[in-house]
Amino acid sequence: GAVVSQHPSRVICKSGTSVKIECRSLDFQATTMFWYRQFPKQSLMLMATSNEGSKATYEQGVEKDKFLINHASLTLSTLTVTSAHPEDSSFYICSARSVDRGAQGGTYSPLHFGNGTRLTVT
Amino acid sequence: AQSVAQPEDQVNVAEGNPLTVKCTYSVSGNPYLFWYVQYPNRGLQFLLKYITGDNLVKGSYGFEAEFNKSQTSFHLKKPSALVSDSALYFCAVRDTGRRALTFGSGTRLQVQP
Repeated sequence: GAVVSQHPSRVICKSGTSVKIECRSLDFQATTMFWYRQFPKQSLMLMATSNEGSKATYEQGVEKDKFLINHASLTLSTLTVTSAHPEDSSFYICSARSVDRGAQGGTYSPLHFGNGTRLTVT
Repeated sequence: AQSVAQPEDQVNVAEGNPLTVKCTYSVSGNPYLFWYVQYPNRGLQFLLKYITGDNLVKGSYGFEAEFNKSQTSFHLKKPSALVSDSALYFCAVRDTGRRALTFGSGTRLQVQP
């Protein structure tokens, strides 16, 4: 099945530094990738939609200058947490879908998720 | 806006017994519904989906879910639970506008040996 690889799985950084998280679709092309954030014992909250070759679409309340998203190719999206602070510590998960043909005569592919990145800002 | 609700924070069941994890949804139009499972410090694994067709959907690892339009529910079920099924389960609905998924709050399933 479709595989999404996310790297690194765990990162610890100092306050004020930037951290880049990579999300790769390994065996399919993903024109759209989604970045989620998960707080301890909570659900996943959509941060932004990453579109290949165009600007990302951010959810309300998510600072686009702080969470930089780049989707430069059909298999790679990156999330950069800039000037990280302890409150940015969280579990970040990316997801991707290969094809969405809609309901008529087609199929709706489920989202495939990376294994997540545990970010700890000290 | 689409939403899903998982009324139970935790479900406890003995190994070998049937399990049910509840989910109700609220959508405008036809619902696209999903179940995912998450193990500690891992991403989400897809279990099953309902787009159209039979109300009983069969998925991975012996799980199935029943779509009930009149009750707006999509409960996850398994006839015989395993200890290894212990994990966090999320119900989700497709957001037709953003094409992302909106997740429920999650239900922790604990299967006791």
